[in-house]
Amino acid sequence: EIVLSQSPGTLSLSPGERATLSCRASQSISDSYLAWYQHKPGQAPRLLIYGTSDRATGVPDRFSGSGSGTDFTLTISRLEPEDFAVYYCQQYITSPPGYTFGQGTKLEIK
Amino acid sequence: EVLLVESGGGLVNPGGSLRLSCAASNLTFSYGFSAYTMHWVRQAPGKGLEWVSSISNGGNYIYYAASVKGRFTISRDNAENSLYLQMSSLRAEDTAIYYCAREGEYNFDYWGQGTLVTVSS
Repeated sequence: EIVLSQSPGTLSLSPGERATLSCRASQSISDSYLAWYQHKPGQAPRLLIYGTSDRATGVPDRFSGSGSGTDFTLTISRLEPEDFAVYYCQQYITSPPGYTFGQGTKLEIK
Repeated sequence: EVLLVESGGGLVNPGGSLRLSCAASNLTFSYGFSAYTMHWVRQAPGKGLEWVSSISNGGNYIYYAASVKGRFTISRDNAENSLYLQMSSLRAEDTAIYYCAREGEYNFDYWGQGTLVTVSS
């Protein structure tokens, strides 16, 4: 079973700063199978990045994804007040078909 | 905008059953509800997201997380644009917000607001 580990658990930053969130897989995974979500309390999760680096519809270009193999990164270039939330990475598993999430990174206002 | 609305959550005793529904607005599915694989994903209180189950567009391919296999049954009615999750032998650890979500090719591109299931005596 491939496990996704996100770091840090909590990231405290100020608006305008740059955020770098990490997602590490216990085994190499295909770039196509890695996605990132933003989740705010009381709201539906929102797909931000799919296929490691493609932005979903309507996602601002301050969000970017990168990485390959076992190490993946979500970067928010300049934090806006609405960006403070929990972020999850997610992978697709081919056999048996399924999906797993990292444990999440909470991005909080410093 | 894709609209997904879950319902059917509530308080249930351990060992009990519950059926969740997800109504999809067909007007906002580009190729119609019946063209998409659909999923249930849950979030336990204070925990992260956990994929629960998926069903292919025609209902022929169904998969479950190990934690619910044998207890939960996913189904869909494409004529009614609806997704279902029949949950039985419920346990305290099944307490969570349950979201329905649309398959976006190895990810979940649209989600509902969720429905809360509480398993407690």
